[in-house]
Amino acid sequence: DMQMTQSPSSLSAFVGDRVTITCRASQSIISHLNWYQQKPGKAPKLLIYAASSLQSGVPSRFSGDESGTDFTLTISSLQPEDFATYYCQQTYTTGYTFGQGTKLEIK
Amino acid sequence: QITLKESGPTLVKPTHALTLTCTFSGFSLTTTGVGVGWIRQPPGKALEWLALIYWNDDKRYRLSLKSRLTITKDTSKNQVVLIMTNMDPVDTATYYCARLFTSRRGGENFDYWGQGTLVTVSS
Repeated sequence: DMQMTQSPSSLSAFVGDRVTITCRASQSIISHLNWYQQKPGKAPKLLIYAASSLQSGVPSRFSGDESGTDFTLTISSLQPEDFATYYCQQTYTTGYTFGQGTKLEIK
Repeated sequence: QITLKESGPTLVKPTHALTLTCTFSGFSLTTTGVGVGWIRQPPGKALEWLALIYWNDDKRYRLSLKSRLTITKDTSKNQVVLIMTNMDPVDTATYYCARLFTSRRGGENFDYWGQGTLVTVSS
């Protein structure tokens, strides 16, 4: 089974900070990695697809990168509306595995 | 404008079956590369993919739940139905349906989501 290990599980940061969340796949998934943002009581929202492509309408402060089986989501300058939980997801194998989530909180 | 909305019971008894309907608009499930999937989220926990149906009626299921899940589509009604049998309290979760899109860069993603529906399994 494909495993997606996300880190950290929680993170505190200030508005204006640059933050990076990491997701590691247990095997190669090429670039079939997506990032979602979820706010309390709301459905997830697609931010990044195919590892580094920005979904339409998503601010450019969000970016994705990959190195082998390691994937990163970076927010270049945190805004108040960015405090949420972030999930990675692989779509290379059936299972469409999500990571455990990273809760980003205001410091 | 693409929208999806889940409907179904909010309370299900243990051992009973759950039937959820996803009614969508703004796209067609006959378009190549498009699918509709179901994802659930137990309270306070992570997202968990359940099932997926493609435009060509190909179906995919979560391996650990495959024996309990059935997904079907009605393209004339723009609906996708998920049936989960033998419900248990651990199946209590918010259930989402979402559109699956295949990008030109490769890979698939869930680009539009319904609001979700909370299903509680309890006697």
